[in-house]
Amino acid sequence: EIVLTQSPGTLSLSPGERATLSCRASQSVSSSYLAWYQQKPGQAPRLLIYGASSRATGIPDRFSGSGSGTDFTLTISRLEPEDFAVYYCQQYGSSPQFTFGPGTKVDIK
Amino acid sequence: QVQLVESGGGLVKPGGSLRLSCAASGFTFSDYYMSWIRQAPGKGLEWVSYISSSGSTIYYADSVKGRFTISRDNAKNSLYLQMNSLRAEDTAVYYCARVQWLVRIFDYWGQGTLVTVSS
Repeated sequence: EIVLTQSPGTLSLSPGERATLSCRASQSVSSSYLAWYQQKPGQAPRLLIYGASSRATGIPDRFSGSGSGTDFTLTISRLEPEDFAVYYCQQYGSSPQFTFGPGTKVDIK
Repeated sequence: QVQLVESGGGLVKPGGSLRLSCAASGFTFSDYYMSWIRQAPGKGLEWVSYISSSGSTIYYADSVKGRFTISRDNAKNSLYLQMNSLRAEDTAVYYCARVQWLVRIFDYWGQGTLVTVSS
């Protein structure tokens, strides 16, 4: 079973700052199958990045993804007020098929 | 536009059963894999199950295997989750999601339905 670990657990930043979120896998993950989601309170998650680095439809270019193997990164170049949320990475692999990381909360400093 | 609307959540006693439904619209339902994902109160996301476009391939998370059954009716554009032998730890918001199988992602999500298992 591939376990995803996200760090930090909470990131306290100000609007306009750069956010760097990490997702580390317990074993190598196919880059094709690594995604990032954003979730705001009371809402369903929203797909941001798929294939480790491709932005989903309608996602602003301040969001970018990178990485390969066991280490992946989501970067928000300049935080907007609407970007304060929880971010999850997700991978697909062998049993149990799909797994999510525990999430990183980006809150306002 | 793509819409996924879950229903069927509620309060159920431990050991009880519940059937969730997800009504899909705005896309050709029979072309897509579909999935259920849940989120316990204040916790992260947990994948529950997925079903292929035809219904011939189904997988479950170990935590629900043998208790939950996923199914679909392509004629009705609907996805279902039959939940039996419910436990307190099954308490969660259950989301229906469309799967982009080529890249193994959940590209559209419903608003979720809350299942509470408590005596």
